[in-house]
Amino acid sequence: GENVEQHPSTLSVQEGDSAVIKCTYSDSASNYFPWYKQELGKGPQLIIDIRSNVGEKKDQRIAVTLNKTAKHFSLHITETQPEDSAVYFCAASGGAGTALIFGKGTTLSVSS
Amino acid sequence: DVKVTQSSRYLVKRTGEKVFLECVQDMDHENMFWYRQDPGLGLRLIYFSYDVKMKEKGDIPEGYSVSREKKERFSLILESASTNQTSMYLCASRLGTGGRNQPQHFGDGTRLSIL
Repeated sequence: GENVEQHPSTLSVQEGDSAVIKCTYSDSASNYFPWYKQELGKGPQLIIDIRSNVGEKKDQRIAVTLNKTAKHFSLHITETQPEDSAVYFCAASGGAGTALIFGKGTTLSVSS
Repeated sequence: DVKVTQSSRYLVKRTGEKVFLECVQDMDHENMFWYRQDPGLGLRLIYFSYDVKMKEKGDIPEGYSVSREKKERFSLILESASTNQTSMYLCASRLGTGGRNQPQHFGDGTRLSIL
């Protein structure tokens, strides 16, 4: 089955810096890669996703890149703000109808 | 906006009890999921359901069962609760794919303690 590895497990940056979180997946049939943000006391919220027919997607300060050949994808957050502090999860999903498999999460801390 | 509601935010039960965790979604989604979240282990899939009365085992189904009698409701059952089932439980729902993966939407979780 699918296995998703996520690095780093913790990341501390200064406000205004960029943050990058990387994930690798094992199943070459996976074709959908969402990223979730989880704030304290809440469930994960989808922040951006990418499908396998696209190499990059951007939404304001957030971007995701996908390298299908190497089977890895990354989340980039630019101009970080204290409210970006949270746990971020990557996930991968194979063919239609399969469940998401998640990485173990990255705790991002943005200090002002 | 999709709303996934888990019936309890916090629950304390005793070893050996039968425990029911309830989840309701209001968007007529076909697919529903149960995950457990533990520090350092991320989200692990327990069971999922493609549609009413259908269920599939996830990665860690042992000690759990599920019920989906109505489309909007998906229940997780701990047949005989044990202390190693103390965890955060997250429910999610998703539109049926029709050949294309759709985003999963999560509830805010139930923090379950087994004493």
